[in-house]
Amino acid sequence: GAVVSQHPSRVICKSGTSVKIECRSLDFQATTMFWYRQFPKQSLMLMATSNEGSKATYEQGVEKDKFLINHASLTLSTLTVTSAHPEDSSFYICSARSGLAGAPSGDTQYFGPGTRLTVL
Amino acid sequence: GQNIDQPTEMTATEGAIVQINCTYQTSGFNGLFWYQQHAGEAPTFLSYNVLDGLEEKGRFSSFLSRSKGYSYLLLKELQMKDSASYLCAVNRGTDSWGKLQFGAGTQVVVTP
Repeated sequence: GAVVSQHPSRVICKSGTSVKIECRSLDFQATTMFWYRQFPKQSLMLMATSNEGSKATYEQGVEKDKFLINHASLTLSTLTVTSAHPEDSSFYICSARSGLAGAPSGDTQYFGPGTRLTVL
Repeated sequence: GQNIDQPTEMTATEGAIVQINCTYQTSGFNGLFWYQQHAGEAPTFLSYNVLDGLEEKGRFSSFLSRSKGYSYLLLKELQMKDSASYLCAVNRGTDSWGKLQFGAGTQVVVTP
């Protein structure tokens, strides 16, 4: 199946610093990427939808100035957590949509391995 | 409101069958997914239902009733490696590859 990578897999930072997380589709071009956040023992919550070459669409309650998303190419989207605080500590997961033409199948959205962010 | 409900935890014995139910109330519906997630890892795709009925894929089957807002995932011949969290997710997008809203997940514990 398609492969999506995330970097870094784990990051620990001090409060007030910014952290950038990269999401790459390795063997396909992703027209759309999604960013999710998951707190322990909770569901994945969609934060934003990232389309190549255009501004990201944020879900209600997600601060766009705090979570900066850039989708510079069809294989790369970045999420920058600006001025991170301990409450931003979470598991951040991206997914990439392959955008293939034709009848949809269930596996056209592929998840990255996730990034564990810990803010001290 | 938007709700996707599934049980928090289920325990079953190796070799047995377990059925995980999911009920949903969402403003849009364009298919329902089941994912498996091991602790600290990303979800992996298991199944997708957009029409009513049963979809079978090896040891895993998934059922959907759109009129009842109900789905289940059936795991047969349970193996120890099936111990994981199982996530029900509804596609609320305007097309079939749109936004996913996830349930909180059902932790399945398989015992020897």
